Amino acid sequence: EAGVAQSPRYKIIEKRQSVAFWCNPISGHATLYWYQQILGQGPKLLIQFQNNGVVDDSQLPKDRFSAERLKGVDSTLKIQPAKLEDSAVYLCASSLITGGPYNEQFFGPGTRLTVL
Amino acid sequence: AQSVTQLDSHVSVSEGTPVLLRCNYSSSYSPSLFWYVQHPNKGLQLLLKYTSAATLVKGINGFEAEFKKSETSFHLTKPSAHMSDAAEYFCVVSDRVGGGSQGNLIFGKGTKLSVKP
Repeated sequence: EAGVAQSPRYKIIEKRQSVAFWCNPISGHATLYWYQQILGQGPKLLIQFQNNGVVDDSQLPKDRFSAERLKGVDSTLKIQPAKLEDSAVYLCASSLITGGPYNEQFFGPGTRLTVL
Repeated sequence: AQSVTQLDSHVSVSEGTPVLLRCNYSSSYSPSLFWYVQHPNKGLQLLLKYTSAATLVKGINGFEAEFKKSETSFHLTKPSAHMSDAAEYFCVVSDRVGGGSQGNLIFGKGTKLSVKP
């Protein structure tokens, strides 16, 4: 079974530039998550989609970050304009929807963003 | 609000010796707790999970963790470390948004495990 795919793996930009990350979840997974992992910290949830609807975006800095999942499959996360503090690894994860108490999240390898 | 505290940022052990990675949690209700492992340049992988069943949870690669409500702890252990265990380990609690099953994950800051030959 193919895992969660992300691209690019690495990106270097200057502050005030724009950048976009792409994620393709595991086939059949209805729920998709974007996390931000700053060096030395654990991942922090930015946004959660269920199919093409947003479930939780309470921690997404909406003045500069946006995300979409138009057809309920792959997703794009955009930063415009980037700041130095946005340097981090951006992780995408996906999970099934079942009736159980917890649905395991499967993570992609991440995109490492460096803002100069 | 739910949170986890990983008590050590870095643990170093010798190959073949026991591993203990400590985690304390804070939750206003019965939590779901997890340990994830992150190898360099690889995605996070679920090691094990506690979801209010047995308090001693066995995971992959010989790891296990014990849920202790009285101590609000969920420490990760392994009897004998292998070189391949060197990685970063995250203790995680699920934040059940709206009471539904699709809880969000709240990660600790991580513990880097080094294994010496």
